[in-house]
Amino acid sequence: SQKIEQNSEALNIQEGKTATLTCNYTNYSPAYLQWYRQDPGRGPVFLLLIRENEKEKRKERLKVTFDTTLKQSLFHITASQPADSATYLCALPYSGAGSYQLTFGKGTKLSVIP
Amino acid sequence: GAVVSQHPSRVICKSGTSVKIECRSLDFQATTMFWYRQFPKKSLMLMATSNEGSKATYEQGVEKDKFLINHASLTLSTLTVTSAHPEDSSFYICSARGPGISTDTQYFGPGTRLTVL
Repeated sequence: SQKIEQNSEALNIQEGKTATLTCNYTNYSPAYLQWYRQDPGRGPVFLLLIRENEKEKRKERLKVTFDTTLKQSLFHITASQPADSATYLCALPYSGAGSYQLTFGKGTKLSVIP
Repeated sequence: GAVVSQHPSRVICKSGTSVKIECRSLDFQATTMFWYRQFPKKSLMLMATSNEGSKATYEQGVEKDKFLINHASLTLSTLTVTSAHPEDSSFYICSARGPGISTDTQYFGPGTRLTVL
């Protein structure tokens, strides 16, 4: 069965630095991959979607890469701010054509230290 | 756009009672809604998928008679936890997708914290 790993449970970085979070997956080839942000006690908020034919996608200070050979996505936050502190979730669609269900990783809790 | 609300935001109930949680899409028609549960420091686990006007599809291991899902309209889905027990205490989150918004993206509600005493 498909498996997602976000190999850092927690990441602490200094304000102004670039945070890099990793998502690895095994056992299938997804058509796309998504990143969400979740604050404590709240539902996830969609950030970015990257498709299998895209190498990189950007949105303001966020950048996502998708390496289908390595089966890995990297999520970068440049010029990080304390307000970026949250848990970031990687999500992949279930395998199978027309499936909209998502499988989520356990998340990486990012803390940006002033 | 693409706002999803949930009600109530938190509920405390006695063991053996039933609790209903509502999920509404406020500015789009949700042809599909999803229900998740999340335990502390764990990831979201999909419980079921519901398409408007049809029966929900439950994930393996989720009791359909315990977690009743109704998706009677394009803007409302409900999850009823029947005969709740302390082990049902969790954070329940719904999400929705539909035409007119990004078809591959789910928009999540703020979640409902259920505590069963």
